[in-house]
Amino acid sequence: ELKVEQNPLFLSMQEGKNYTIYCNYSTTSDRLYWYRQDPGKSLESLFVLLSNGAVKQEGRLMASLDTKARLSTLHITAAVHDLSATYFCAVDIFKLVFGAGTILRVKS
Amino acid sequence: NAGVTQTPKFQVLKTGQSMTLQCAQDMNHNSMYWYRQDPGMGLRLIYYSASEGTTDKGEVPNGYNVSRLNKREFSLRLESAAPSQTSVYFCASSVTLATYEQYFGPGTRLTVT
Repeated sequence: ELKVEQNPLFLSMQEGKNYTIYCNYSTTSDRLYWYRQDPGKSLESLFVLLSNGAVKQEGRLMASLDTKARLSTLHITAAVHDLSATYFCAVDIFKLVFGAGTILRVKS
Repeated sequence: NAGVTQTPKFQVLKTGQSMTLQCAQDMNHNSMYWYRQDPGMGLRLIYYSASEGTTDKGEVPNGYNVSRLNKREFSLRLESAAPSQTSVYFCASSVTLATYEQYFGPGTRLTVT
């Protein structure tokens, strides 16, 4: 059974700081996705990572995938309040298996 | 182009009542999915439909049934609601089962008392 673990589960950070969210998974897959969810809202796709070594960047967020280590990271650079949300990684084994989510609060 | 739509947005049921959650997509996608989201647990797959006419169980199918009515519509039925089914339910669709991106509906918040 595939397990997907995110850490930390809760992250409170100051504006302007950098931080990384980690997503570990337990079985072979070379497809991983990151989603953002605002409170009371649906999921918005952020990044699609399709191969070992894939790196995608959008604004202050950068995601990477290491399939050998079964690890993806979501790096936040110079955080701003608008990035406050819950971030999920999901591993694709023809069905998506989600991590528990990381609640990010950026304090101004 | 509305994407994925779900009805209702909110629902309160008493234990033992039944109801159907509706989902429709207008993107001509072949595959559709139902998830539930509980605090601290991410999303868990209830049922999915790889294509019109097929449905399969996901991770947590007990207490639910689904119908793929046509290519556009995929409904989720609770025959006898239980408090453990209090959750937020999301429908999603993708071009095919092996396609890289799923698109999510706005969700249905269900409370069973």
